[in-house]
Amino acid sequence: TQLLEQSPQFLSIQEGENLTVYCNSSSVFSSLQWYRQEPGEGPVLLVTVVTGGEVKKLKRLTFQFGDARKDSSLHITAAQPGDTGLYLCAGGTYKYIFGTGTRLKVLA
Amino acid sequence: DTGVSQNPRHKITKRGQNVTFRCDPISEHNRLYWYRQTLGQGPEFLTYFQNEAQLEKSRLLSDRFSAERPKGSFSTLEIQRTEQGDSAMYLCASTRGQEHEKLFFGSGTQLSVL
Repeated sequence: TQLLEQSPQFLSIQEGENLTVYCNSSSVFSSLQWYRQEPGEGPVLLVTVVTGGEVKKLKRLTFQFGDARKDSSLHITAAQPGDTGLYLCAGGTYKYIFGTGTRLKVLA
Repeated sequence: DTGVSQNPRHKITKRGQNVTFRCDPISEHNRLYWYRQTLGQGPEFLTYFQNEAQLEKSRLLSDRFSAERPKGSFSTLEIQRTEQGDSAMYLCASTRGQEHEKLFFGSGTQLSVL
């Protein structure tokens, strides 16, 4: 069974701080996706990484796929209150398994 | 593109009752997924369809759960003899069915079993 473990589970930081969220598995994934979810809504895709070692940037967010395609990280620079939400990684090709989630709260 | 639509948004039921949820995917999307999510956790895979064919059903899903997509368009998820442990957000998502494609999610149906 493929599992994706995220750490930390919760993160509360001040506006302007940097943070990194990790997504780890013992299984190899053909791709990893990162989603953000707001309360009462479905997850919304942020990025997809496909190639081992790949790095993608989305404004203040930097995503990296591990060389062995078993792990990924999300780094946020200068966090803002608007970054608050539940961050989810998901792995797969057609069937997607989601990670355990990281709940981020950015305080003004 | 009107997005993925789920109905109802909220459902409160008594233990032992049957409930049915509906999902209308984006019109040209072939694949449809059902997930279950409890507060603060990641979505848990339940099942998915390619057109009307159910390709996989999670082993975690008991026989009380059944899903259909009769004409390859909308889908229904039925839970029979609900239990308090079934209380969760039920999410539907759809894609065109290509590799590594992003999931378009609906807003979910929040089920509360009393």
